[in-house]
Amino acid sequence: EVQLVESGGGLVKPGGSLRLSCAASGFTFSSDRMNWVRQAPGKGLEWVSSITSGGSYIYYSDSVKGRFTISRDDAKNSLYLHMNSLRAEDTAVYYCARESRGVRSGSLDYWGQGTLVTVSS
Amino acid sequence: DIQMTQSPSTLSASVGDRVTITCRASQSISIWLAWYQQKPGKAPKLLIYKASSLESGVPSRFSGSGSGTEFTLTISSLQPDDFATYYCQHYNSYSYSFGQGTKLEIK
Repeated sequence: EVQLVESGGGLVKPGGSLRLSCAASGFTFSSDRMNWVRQAPGKGLEWVSSITSGGSYIYYSDSVKGRFTISRDDAKNSLYLHMNSLRAEDTAVYYCARESRGVRSGSLDYWGQGTLVTVSS
Repeated sequence: DIQMTQSPSTLSASVGDRVTITCRASQSISIWLAWYQQKPGKAPKLLIYKASSLESGVPSRFSGSGSGTEFTLTISSLQPDDFATYYCQHYNSYSYSFGQGTKLEIK
């Protein structure tokens, strides 16, 4: 069974930093493109960042570019999001999500339960 | 960047109704479109990929259609479990973009 479990969320002051983790199991993590997607309270979904298998390519949304860093450790089946210079508008539930394989590529087939990040003084 | 616009933002319907949600892209995206269902406090669930392909395990009352710039998600006969928020999502090789969501409410 595929499982994605996020951790690391919490309350942080504006300008602060936080590292989110996503522990993956039930599939060959190293083979898949992984993503972070966030959802501000009461709002819609916003893609944040993506990392291809092997970490060959990394992409960010304009809203987090230069402040957030995505990484992965295939030996630990883990995905990370290092968040710096946090702002109030970064407050959201952060999901890790796997990109679907093969003909289903381009969609996100497995999601974690999310971890809440609150940026407030 | 390609913008995805869903309509309506809110839809009130009854059990048994046929409902359609529309998603428009600001430029042609071929069939690179997915649909998700999200319930409060839960992660999104993939329903449709490549505009019209039904994800495994998703009931056949859900269907997707369209290509280019206009897409639709249709639920043929609403069930109580279908009242949720629905999102469309476009993918290109370097990013994803979501529509703003359509909340499907019980009339």
